[in-house]
Amino acid sequence: EIVMTQAPATLSVSPGERATLSCRASQSVSSNLAWYQQKPGQAPRLLIYGSSTRAAGIPARFIGSGSGTDFTLTINSLQPEDFAVYYCQQYNDWPHFGGGTKVEIK
Amino acid sequence: QVHLQESGPGLVKPSGTLSLTCVVSGGSINTNTDWKWSWVRQPPGASLEWIGETYARGKSDYNSSLRSRVSILVDRSKNQFSLKMDSMTAADTAVYYCARKAYDKLWGSYYFDQWGQGILVTVSS
Repeated sequence: EIVMTQAPATLSVSPGERATLSCRASQSVSSNLAWYQQKPGQAPRLLIYGSSTRAAGIPARFIGSGSGTDFTLTINSLQPEDFAVYYCQQYNDWPHFGGGTKVEIK
Repeated sequence: QVHLQESGPGLVKPSGTLSLTCVVSGGSINTNTDWKWSWVRQPPGASLEWIGETYARGKSDYNSSLRSRVSILVDRSKNQFSLKMDSMTAADTAVYYCARKAYDKLWGSYYFDQWGQGILVTVSS
C-alpha cells in the first residue's frame, strides 16, 4: 500500500500571498498524482492531474509540480475562495489520498 | 457535463446492509469505456477512502480492506451504479461519494474528475 503524507496539516496564509503545500509518497508514483480542493459541505474538486496538468476551468494560479515521491501544489496570490482543504491522491496503484492540508486565513 | 447524484438511506442499523445508488445524468454511462465508476467515502473530519469501482463489461475492483463486505454493480439501462456494503458498524459512518474516474492517456492510469455531492450515512441503532 502506498502511503501519502501531506504537510503541513494547517497552513495560515494572508490573502494575496503564496501557499506551498507538500505531498510525499512512500514509494514512487511516477507522475500519477492528483490534487483536489474541498470546501466545507462540498465534494472534492479536481484541480491538478498528472502531477502538473490543470483540470478544465482551474485558474493558472494553481501550479502542481514534482514526480516520483515528492510533489508540491503552489497557489499564487491566494484569493478568498481558495481557503479550503487540499488533498493529494496517487493513482499509480489503487487510489490513496493524503491526510489533507487546511489552508486558513492568517 | 456529466452530473452524479447519490441516493439512499441516511441511517443504517449496526450489522445492517447499506445500499446506495448513483444516477448519472448528462451523459451515458456506456459512452466511454475509458471511464470507471467509483465509490469513495469520508468519515467526519477525516480524509478520503476509495471503496471500489465498476467499469467496462461489469468488471469491479475493491479496496482490499473492504472487499469481503462490498459489491458494486452497474445498471446500464438506468444509467446508474450502486454500492452494497454488509455488516455495517459505527466505523462506517461517513459521507459516501460516487465519482467518475477518467483515463490519463499520458500516464495510462485514472484520476477522479467528477464527483457527486455526497450523502451522509450514519450507522446507529
